[in-house]
Amino acid sequence: AQSVTQLGSHVSVSEGALVLLRCNYSSSVPPYLFWYVQYPNQGLQLLLKYTTGATLVKGINGFEAEFKKSETSFHLTKPSAHMSDAAEYFCAVSDQGGNTGKLIFGQGTTLQVKP
Amino acid sequence: DSGVTQTPKHLITATGQRVTLRCSPRSGDLSVYWYQQSLDQGLQFLIQYYNGEERAKGNILERFSAQQFPDLHSELNLSSLELGDSALYFCASSETGVSPLHFGNGTRLTVT
Repeated sequence: AQSVTQLGSHVSVSEGALVLLRCNYSSSVPPYLFWYVQYPNQGLQLLLKYTTGATLVKGINGFEAEFKKSETSFHLTKPSAHMSDAAEYFCAVSDQGGNTGKLIFGQGTTLQVKP
Repeated sequence: DSGVTQTPKHLITATGQRVTLRCSPRSGDLSVYWYQQSLDQGLQFLIQYYNGEERAKGNILERFSAQQFPDLHSELNLSSLELGDSALYFCASSETGVSPLHFGNGTRLTVT
């Protein structure tokens, strides 16, 4: 069965600093991986996705993630944090690859950005 | 705006009651998913429908049921409500049975 582990439930960075949110996955099939962001009182918004092909994936708002099969990781990064990046971030893996849209989510990481 | 509409936004009800949550998917999306988000369980997949038919089932209680109608909107019915059912319920949709998912803003259910 597929699973996702997000390391660190809370991450705090200073404005302008590097953002690194960690995600490790377990999948019995080639994984489809996603990062979503949730702002207060809102639904989840897709930041980026990895399906096949290039392992470095660029998303919205300057975020990117790198799929590393050998490390079963899909960490999310952003070179310079902005106050508006403060939110909760979820890593997810698609159940059974891309055959269903069912996503298995990690527990989430709350990103705090300090001025 | 994701294009997925959920109503109502908030719902407060008593234990033992029954409620219905409604979801209208994005225009053109055939697949609808329901998720429950709570502090202790995180985001849990409940059920998926594709073009009116159940496609996948997750950790959905027997007290809960869902359906997708011919116009593709979906309803999640929760009955015999318990305090532990208090959570944020999200609907998501996708064009086919393949991700990515587009999420609505959720219905916050409070059971008192």
